[in-house]
Amino acid sequence: SSELTQDPDVSVALGHTVRITCQGDSLRGYYASWYQQKPGQAPILVIYDQNNRPSGIPDRFSGSSSGNTASLTITGAQAEDDADYYCSSRDTSGNHVLFGGGTKLTVL
Amino acid sequence: QVQLQESGPGLVKASETLSLTCTVSGGSISSSNYYWGWIRQPPGKGLEWIGSIYYSGDTYYNPSLKSRVTMSVERSKKQFSLKLNSMTAADTAVYYCARRYSNYESSWFGPWGQGTLVTVSS
Repeated sequence: SSELTQDPDVSVALGHTVRITCQGDSLRGYYASWYQQKPGQAPILVIYDQNNRPSGIPDRFSGSSSGNTASLTITGAQAEDDADYYCSSRDTSGNHVLFGGGTKLTVL
Repeated sequence: QVQLQESGPGLVKASETLSLTCTVSGGSISSSNYYWGWIRQPPGKGLEWIGSIYYSGDTYYNPSLKSRVTMSVERSKKQFSLKLNSMTAADTAVYYCARRYSNYESSWFGPWGQGTLVTVSS
């Protein structure tokens, strides 16, 4: 059924650009979605269908994909972007859902 | 806009069955391409998909939990439910309900409920 792999920890200087990646075989056929989670809060959707932002999500968040890798890019990271980020997609069968292990983003 | 709220016991004894309900407000539970899902998160760990249900009653479960999971939907009450049997300490987690969009290559969750912490006691 495959899995999605994320780097556990990523850091970025305030105002700089950071890319968070997600690797998995299912990403060759299915779109990735990305979720931001702050301590004690439920996750919120920040990117869906690979590169679409829900209303209310700042345009500094963007998504892309190439081969088996999906990426979330934050251009001009802000202090409030300090959070955990999870990717998700269908598995290779198409019937189930996968989540990546999560990336803890630290904004320095 | 659509909002979801989980309800159920915060403490379950080992070997017993967890029962949670999610109530949907601000929108229809019977919309095309929208499923209703459960996701959990053990303390300090990542997200794990438990399963999803369509308003018709079609279900999809995580293969690793399939033998212990039952999901149901009650359209008239705009509620869907999760039952997880044979609970152990490893099932201690925050349980979230969420709306899931699913169509062809697309699958995403939003919005999410606030989550409810379920602790399994021995």
